[in-house]
Amino acid sequence: GAVVSQHPSWVICKSGTSVKIECRSLDFQATTMFWYRQFPKQSLMLMATSNEGSKATYEQGVEKDKFLINHASLTLSTLTVTSAHPEDSSFYICSARDTGSQPQHFGDGTRLSIL
Amino acid sequence: AQSVTQLGSHVSVSEGALVLLRCNYSSSVPPYLFWYVQYPNQGLQLLLKYTSAATLVKGINGFEAEFKKSETSFHLTKPSAHMSDAAEYFCAVSDGGGNKLTFGTGTQLKVEL
Repeated sequence: GAVVSQHPSWVICKSGTSVKIECRSLDFQATTMFWYRQFPKQSLMLMATSNEGSKATYEQGVEKDKFLINHASLTLSTLTVTSAHPEDSSFYICSARDTGSQPQHFGDGTRLSIL
Repeated sequence: AQSVTQLGSHVSVSEGALVLLRCNYSSSVPPYLFWYVQYPNQGLQLLLKYTSAATLVKGINGFEAEFKKSETSFHLTKPSAHMSDAAEYFCAVSDGGGNKLTFGTGTQLKVEL
């Protein structure tokens, strides 16, 4: 149980395009989803927390107009990297949790490469 | 504010040897503590969690960790390393089981024949 699916797993695109990453909870209702960014050989940095039906809460230093997060249903959250540039290249990971004190369950990540 | 310090960015052990990965935390409230494992180009898999119940926590794949409040530590151990244990391990802390996680910088475990 507690499976989180993230899609796509790898994307390469040109500078200036927008990229959408999906995060789905397959067998539970995710009232809260988290988006992380991980640089090579480094730890995960929380970008934002999203609760179903409300606006995401962004961490300090994360551009909300750059990284658009939507959590329209209890099983789906999306992260859109708008007008992506090479410095946005990274490994993006989502996680989701049910209500209460359940731990976060992570997707397999999306490797984003901007040329 | 909460933080986690993982001592040793790289740990190398022989197959069959004891695995010890160190984690110290700082928290102004009773912490929830987690160990996650990450294989290359994958997300994180939960190994075990401490949520204020038993101080010795057993997880998957033979791993366990002991919460020591006096030492503010939550070290991860496994009696006998296996080649498949080679991966990156992250310790994390939160102020609630499902709340925002603060991760350590990770420890790369290498298992040698």
